[in-house]
Amino acid sequence: QSVLTQPPSVSGAPGQRVTISCTGSSSNIGAHYDVHWYQQLPGTAPKLLIYGNSNRPSGIPDRFSGSKSGTSASLAISGLQAEDEADYYCQSYDNSLSGWVFGGGTKLTVL
Amino acid sequence: QVTLRESGPALVKPTQTLTLTCTFSGFSLSNNGMCVSWIRQPPGKALEWLALIDWDDDKYYSTSLKTRLTISKDTSKNQVVLTVTNMDPVDTATYYCARIRHPNRYFDTWGQGTLVTVSS
Repeated sequence: QSVLTQPPSVSGAPGQRVTISCTGSSSNIGAHYDVHWYQQLPGTAPKLLIYGNSNRPSGIPDRFSGSKSGTSASLAISGLQAEDEADYYCQSYDNSLSGWVFGGGTKLTVL
Repeated sequence: QVTLRESGPALVKPTQTLTLTCTFSGFSLSNNGMCVSWIRQPPGKALEWLALIDWDDDKYYSTSLKTRLTISKDTSKNQVVLTVTNMDPVDTATYYCARIRHPNRYFDTWGQGTLVTVSS
């Protein structure tokens, strides 16, 4: 059971917009720790997608955006493309566990 | 360019100790703020953070696995080593190493991962 909760799966047609939620608690997201997002394409290592709640590393398209509010965060992907089909993980820090925590992952299917 | 690469045995027997090495380039663990962490992912399952070592040789461990993990570094070789004792089939996973630059708390660069299977 992961500390951060994500929906197991989401789907959307090409060109559409989807959102993935990440729910935490008062010891992680609610404690003002930032949320970060990773994209894991099939058979590959995770790659940093969003850091500090809403910042994109160099090379990440602006179709990807992140937000945070209270004990939750969201990743939005607009203009869905077939290449976006992947697993997405949120991550934060937990002060009661004194460690880094991940969500259970969300599989995005592009219909 | 920052790169990390994991190495170690692909197969270990139950009760054995696993030793994994992360060899990195493009940064030095002797520089302020640099940290290397280990994360694992069982087949078809989620990511799980295991351990982190920083430039000052401070070490942090997952609460649930703390008694079985040891992380260390060899700055001269640009390597970080993770040992996991008393391996069990549930420890079968792809093990990744990744970099953190303090005070950031995200993993900005990952290795390709190494699959470790625990079986007799």
